[in-house]
Amino acid sequence: GAVVSQHPSRVICKSGTSVKIECRSLDFQATTMFWYRQFPKKSLMLMATSNEGSKATYEQGVEKDKFLINHASLTLSTLTVTSAHPEDSSFYICSARGGTGENIQYFGAGTRLSVL
Amino acid sequence: QKEVEQDPGPLSVPEGAIVSLNCTYSNSAFQYFMWYRQYSRKGPELLMYTYSSGNKEDGRFTAQVDKSSKYISLFIRDSQPSDSATYLCAMSAVQGAQKLVFGQGTRLTINP
Repeated sequence: GAVVSQHPSRVICKSGTSVKIECRSLDFQATTMFWYRQFPKKSLMLMATSNEGSKATYEQGVEKDKFLINHASLTLSTLTVTSAHPEDSSFYICSARGGTGENIQYFGAGTRLSVL
Repeated sequence: QKEVEQDPGPLSVPEGAIVSLNCTYSNSAFQYFMWYRQYSRKGPELLMYTYSSGNKEDGRFTAQVDKSSKYISLFIRDSQPSDSATYLCAMSAVQGAQKLVFGQGTRLTINP
């Protein structure tokens, strides 16, 4: 299967700082990437959808100025949590969908963010 | 009513048992059906993918889709302790944004 790399796997930061998470498709070109948030023992909550070269589409209730998404190339998308606060602490997961026409998403390993 | 319903469990079975995991859905436009396995503190891993109806087998795993009943299943044969994880069903329509709609996930434990 296709490989999606997500980095870092774990980050601890102070309140007020910004954190960048990278998501890379290693062996395929991802026309679309997705960012999810997952709370403990809960399913995945879609935050935003990004297509290469265009602005991300955010889900209702997700602050676009808080969660900045950049999809500058067909293999890289980044999520920046700006001015992080303790309530932003969560598990963030990216996924990538290739251009084969099939709607299959391949997921990264996730990033656990802890804001102190 | 949620678009996708999945019993969250937890489900605990002895090693070697056949496991049956299920999801029901309400949106008749769904055509892509997937099962993901997620270990604790890891991202979901694609297990099975089915387009439209039918069965698909891969090793110890079998996925079934019954569109007339809006019901999908994942069977695990000869279950192993390493199969202990949360299993998420996911599905999407063909048209539009094609966002995945996930079930709640079923926590499965295989006891040695």
